[in-house]
Amino acid sequence: SQTIHQWPATLVQPVGSPLSLECTVEGTSNPNLYWYRQAAGRGLQLLFYSVGIGQISSEVPQNLSASRPQDRQFILSSKKLLLSDSGFYLCAGGRVGEQYFGPGTRLTVT
Amino acid sequence: QQQVKQSPQSLIVQKGGISIINCAYENTAFDYFPWYQQFPGKGPALLIAIRPDVSEKKEGRFTISFNKSAKQFSLHIMDSQPGDSATYFCAASRRTSYDKVIFGPGTSLSVIP
Repeated sequence: SQTIHQWPATLVQPVGSPLSLECTVEGTSNPNLYWYRQAAGRGLQLLFYSVGIGQISSEVPQNLSASRPQDRQFILSSKKLLLSDSGFYLCAGGRVGEQYFGPGTRLTVT
Repeated sequence: QQQVKQSPQSLIVQKGGISIINCAYENTAFDYFPWYQQFPGKGPALLIAIRPDVSEKKEGRFTISFNKSAKQFSLHIMDSQPGDSATYFCAASRRTSYDKVIFGPGTSLSVIP
């Protein structure tokens, strides 16, 4: 089975500061990788997904970006954070319909 | 066509009772239907999944019922326990390498003693 690693677990950043969240996958090769954001008590909003190195699809327009520099590494970034970027960020990986989620990063923008 | 509907939004069940969560989809190309369980502050975990060639799948106290003609599927939790209190997401996808998983909006389940 796959293991999704995410860090940090919590992060407090001021408005206008940059962001970099990293996700790595263990236990499989060439996985599909996903970044989701979840507001408190809400559902899963798909932000980006990738089917291979350098291949990124964006689901919603925002000031976030994603990159996949290696097969099992997925990075979520922002040049300048907004208050509305606060939330619970989840990385997921998988193939053929299944997804396995990481533990998440709680981001608070102040 | 990509949407997955889920009901109820929240559910309160007494300990020992049956919890039932229902989902519906529109895209007949979907061929994989997983359920995820999420505890507060944690990532969702794959709980149980079904393919449309079977009408029911059971794992312990958790059962998925699938109605292909109605394009509906449901999760039944038998003998519900307080430890089952969590948010449950149904989902649908195509078992190809390039497709996303479409999630329902989630059901918050509380099992009271």
